Amino acid sequence: QQPVQSPQAVILREGEDAVINCSSSKALYSVHWYRQKHGEAPIFLMILLKGGEQKGHDKISASFNEKKQQSSLYLTASQLSYSGTYFCGTEISGNDMRFGAGTRLTVKP
Amino acid sequence: GAVVSQHPSRVICKSGTSVKIECRSLDFQATTMFWYRQFPKQSLMLMATSNEGSKATYEQGVEKDKFLINHASLTLSTLTVTSAHPEDSSFYICSAREPSPFRGLFFGSGTQLSVL
Repeated sequence: QQPVQSPQAVILREGEDAVINCSSSKALYSVHWYRQKHGEAPIFLMILLKGGEQKGHDKISASFNEKKQQSSLYLTASQLSYSGTYFCGTEISGNDMRFGAGTRLTVKP
Repeated sequence: GAVVSQHPSRVICKSGTSVKIECRSLDFQATTMFWYRQFPKQSLMLMATSNEGSKATYEQGVEKDKFLINHASLTLSTLTVTSAHPEDSSFYICSAREPSPFRGLFFGSGTQLSVL
């Protein structure tokens, strides 16, 4: 029931864009995105509840295709501070958060 | 933003002893708390979902007699690792959510357990 996340790792130069994908074989109640830096707790980025919903703030946005049970996280014009491991979290019942394997993002100057 | 406090941050214990980890929501009432286990460079594996005033729901493969979870109040959940063994060594992290369904999870800072 864990979502499948890809790619496993991404290396970018500052200013480049990246897309991280998350998919589930089950119908989803919600999709969450989190970022975790080494040695720290994960930080909540955003939640998507509706099919076809898109959300974003600053240069980080996400979409959720309810029919395909897929979500994508878009990072545009990446900054050094974007480095970290990104996890998608999915809920089926609304109270059962499970996480993907994570995508390690490295932004280099 | 919401704050979740987790203690201790690091604990070293001898094999066979029990360890209790506390997770507190400091500025909100958490009807649900989640306990995760994370190995180095790996994902967060859900161990159990803890609801205030009721028994925790454990994931398949997680021994409920070994990992005792108590959610006695709306702001406190505890995880007790009983009769710890070296294979229980891991990073344990709790999270809590506010009652609103439109909010994400807020995580504690985690507990690094080392069993000798």
